[in-house]
Amino acid sequence: ETGVTQSPTHLIKTRGQQVTLRCSSQSGHNTVSWYQQALGQGPQFIFQYYREEENGRGNFPPRFSGLQFPNYSSELNVNALELDDSALYLCASRYSAGTGINTGELFFGEGSRLTVL
Amino acid sequence: AQSVTQLGSHVSVSEGALVLLRCNYSSSVPPYLFWYVQYPNQGLQLLLKYTSAATLVKGINGFEAEFKKSETSFHLTKPSAHMSDAAEYFCASFSMNTGFQKLVFGTGTRLLVSP
Repeated sequence: ETGVTQSPTHLIKTRGQQVTLRCSSQSGHNTVSWYQQALGQGPQFIFQYYREEENGRGNFPPRFSGLQFPNYSSELNVNALELDDSALYLCASRYSAGTGINTGELFFGEGSRLTVL
Repeated sequence: AQSVTQLGSHVSVSEGALVLLRCNYSSSVPPYLFWYVQYPNQGLQLLLKYTSAATLVKGINGFEAEFKKSETSFHLTKPSAHMSDAAEYFCASFSMNTGFQKLVFGTGTRLLVSP
């Protein structure tokens, strides 16, 4: 048990729709990251939130957006879904003392598997 | 940019045999390196990490990895495979980008363990 829970575990959407994925982190984890894992691939960094503000983004378009809330929960929103968005979406959290280097363990949730038809 | 390359998308071993999963990194600065395991329908679990301390890193479940700067490698080993070790293994490098940090993952190696 990592203390990070994600919902829903599975969902199916059609092209053009919007989706919201949710993550609940351990108490005290002020940093949350989202990763996309396509079938047969390693996870790819989408973005990171630190103290409720986005402070880093990978190579993903603006239709991928997120929120982090004071109660250690967070959301990943994807608009205008495309077929290539089908993937496992992983939430990961940690406590960070600041924006400097922090090699503390990232705790991953079990993911939300999104299928876009 | 930092990157990691995992050699072999699948590795098959017999129960009790040595496990060797290969990872090479590319980095212009001393890297932070990690191995994660992913069991079916689960998230990622940290096995071990290298953060420029001892070059031989011991992790959970009997796994260990050795950082070799001359070979830019961070291979994962376990002396004796168990059936329960069957899973997907990811090597990852830690990249620091102007105030935020992210993990850069390899493409993964699926470990198959036969009786």
